[in-house]
Amino acid sequence: SAVISQKPSRDICQRGTSLTIQCQVDSQVTMMFWYRQQPGQSLTLIATANQGSEATYESGFVIDKFPISRPNLTFSTLTVSNMSPEDSSIYLCSVERPGQGNYNEQFFGPGTRLTVL
Amino acid sequence: AQRVTQPEKLLSVFKGAPVELKCNYSYSGSPELFWYVQYSRQRLQLLLRHISRESIKGFTADLNKGETSFHLKKPFAQEEDSAMYYCALLTHSQGGSEKLVFGKGTKLTVNP
Repeated sequence: SAVISQKPSRDICQRGTSLTIQCQVDSQVTMMFWYRQQPGQSLTLIATANQGSEATYESGFVIDKFPISRPNLTFSTLTVSNMSPEDSSIYLCSVERPGQGNYNEQFFGPGTRLTVL
Repeated sequence: AQRVTQPEKLLSVFKGAPVELKCNYSYSGSPELFWYVQYSRQRLQLLLRHISRESIKGFTADLNKGETSFHLKKPFAQEEDSAMYYCALLTHSQGGSEKLVFGKGTKLTVNP
């Protein structure tokens, strides 16, 4: 398994500001993922962050809005820039590690609940 | 298009009753499907995957390619099964990258 922590656990922010969310893993992982879960909606992948390379963004998400850093194999940050109320969501960090049996498994952090006023 | 549909937003059953959470998918490739569960105040975690063909906490799920379904079943629900359940599909891009596509989730409540 993997122990994943996120900071902050929640925040309330003003429109137009930016928030950086941190994700720390207890062991080295190649791939880290950032998801968004808007109220009443499913989890949606924002981007995949590999250490030493630029993050790969999914359709509908851009680097200017959601810059990601991956300075080492145990840490990543996601910044939500120039926030608007539509950015109010839970943001989740995830990593892929060996899990049940011989299969890789995605483990999720506790999430960061963001409210934008 | 890659899509996972969970038609029931809410599902309520009584303890001891059978429960089935529905999941349908749309994917042109070979599907690899999962059920994730999130108990109250806990993080999202993997419940089971179709490849392993296991029964976890009494839950089973069978992949039906003809009906493009991966319904989650348990013959006798327990109160501790109350949680949010998400069906997920692992997709592969032409570039070789993988990503999980999630359904919107079903909130299961098991009443005493």
